[in-house]
Amino acid sequence: GQQVKQSSPSLTVQEGGILILNCDYENDMFDYFAWYKKYPDNSPTLLISVRSNVDKREDGRFTVFLNKSGKHFSLHITASQPEDTAVYLCAAGQGGSAKLIFGEGTKLTVSS
Amino acid sequence: AQTIHQWPVAEIKAVGSPLSLGCTIKGKSSPNLYWYWQATGGTLQQLFYSITVGQVESVVQLNLSASRPKDDQFILSTEKLLLSHSGFYLCAWRLGGGSQNTLYFGAGTRLSVL
Repeated sequence: GQQVKQSSPSLTVQEGGILILNCDYENDMFDYFAWYKKYPDNSPTLLISVRSNVDKREDGRFTVFLNKSGKHFSLHITASQPEDTAVYLCAAGQGGSAKLIFGEGTKLTVSS
Repeated sequence: AQTIHQWPVAEIKAVGSPLSLGCTIKGKSSPNLYWYWQATGGTLQQLFYSITVGQVESVVQLNLSASRPKDDQFILSTEKLLLSHSGFYLCAWRLGGGSQNTLYFGAGTRLSVL
């Protein structure tokens, strides 16, 4: 089964709005959680990541919230911009392990 | 600065033909190396990883094999392509040492099997 799951295949938001991307995982041994951003015809690049010893990490307009008991993490984007339009991939893995499991991706469109 | 180079950029191959995709990483010694694959409309799946020369672990069985002949080189291959092998292949590296650091991806190879 899918170990890391993103609930929304696509999302559209108005420029300037706030949006939340969600990710659920199955393995409660995972202790590393990340969001990657992928433009069409480009490779994924790391946007933000968090270890399991914190439940929130903020970097500018991007914040990751981690809910370990619920096996869920989310990416909040504020003041969305057209250049945020991309596919967002969540990923989770276990410290010391070489595995990093990706979700299916959420295609975000920010309309101006 | 570290650079990751994948080749070829794109391939069109016949079913049953062999395949070899390459990846080199410059500027970083003893990285962990990865092959990922994404079918059209599918999820990015980890295929193989290698933490050192000569050692490769398989994550997903897809009738593919991987080898790490040198510290900076990772090769993905098969002797007989299937239609289901079509998709986007990404090589990636991250620092070794056991902690989950950032994955850096190559530009990828788009493979079409006809």
